[in-house]
Amino acid sequence: DAGVIQSPRHEVTEMGQEVTLRCKPISGHDYLFWYRQTMMRGLELLIYFNNNVPIDDSGMPEDRFSAKMPNASFSTLKIQPSEPRDSAVYFCASSQSSRGTQYFGPGTRLLVL
Amino acid sequence: KQEVTQIPAALSVPEGENLVLNCSFTDSAIYNLQWFRQDPGKGLTSLLLIQSSQREQTSGRLNASLDKSSGRSTLYIAASQPGDSATYLCALRGEDSGGGADGLTFGKGTHLIIQP
Repeated sequence: DAGVIQSPRHEVTEMGQEVTLRCKPISGHDYLFWYRQTMMRGLELLIYFNNNVPIDDSGMPEDRFSAKMPNASFSTLKIQPSEPRDSAVYFCASSQSSRGTQYFGPGTRLLVL
Repeated sequence: KQEVTQIPAALSVPEGENLVLNCSFTDSAIYNLQWFRQDPGKGLTSLLLIQSSQREQTSGRLNASLDKSSGRSTLYIAASQPGDSATYLCALRGEDSGGGADGLTFGKGTHLIIQP
C-alpha cells in the first residue's frame, strides 16, 4: 500500500492567493482527517470526514478555510485568500474505523509570503 | 477541554541508555492513546496504540504504559540508538462517540537526540 498521499509537498505563495492542498487516503479507510502543525500550537485537528461526509469542522480557523471530499479516494483543503499566519505544515491522515490507528501522510509545507 | 503536556520538551542522551518520555493529560475520559514518532520534514509514524482498558503495549524496544486515573502515559525506550533520534508525540482520542470526538488531541512532543 502506498500510504496516505499528499500533494504538493511544498507550496510557496503570496498573501491573497488561493491555495489548494490535496490528499488521497489509504484505500478502504472510511475516515479522513486534516491537521495543521505550527511551532506555537503544535498539531491541531481542523476537520474530519466519515464516508466522505464532514463530521466535525470546529477546528477550521475561519471562513477562509474549506474542505471537501467528493469521493472516497480524494479530499481537498482550500485556503482563500491565504495569509502569512496560515504558514504551517498541513497533514492528512486516514483510518479504517473511528477509533483505530490513524496513518499520516508526509504533509504539505505551506509558506505564505 | 483536553490538554496534553509532554515533558521534557527536549532530551539528549548517550547511545545505549534506557529512557522514559512522559505524557500527561487533564481529562481522564479518553478512549485510547497513541504514541507517534516524527522525523524532521516527515509525517508521523504510529508506534503504539493503547486502549483505555489496557495498561501497556510493547513493540520491540518500546513499551508504552497508561494510567488513566492519574492522567499519565509513559513511553519507555530500551537500549537507545542514534536511529531513535526524532520527535515523539502522544495523542489522545476522547471517550465520546461520534460528534467530533474521533480526532486526536496532541501534545507538543519531546525532541529526542541519541548521541553516538
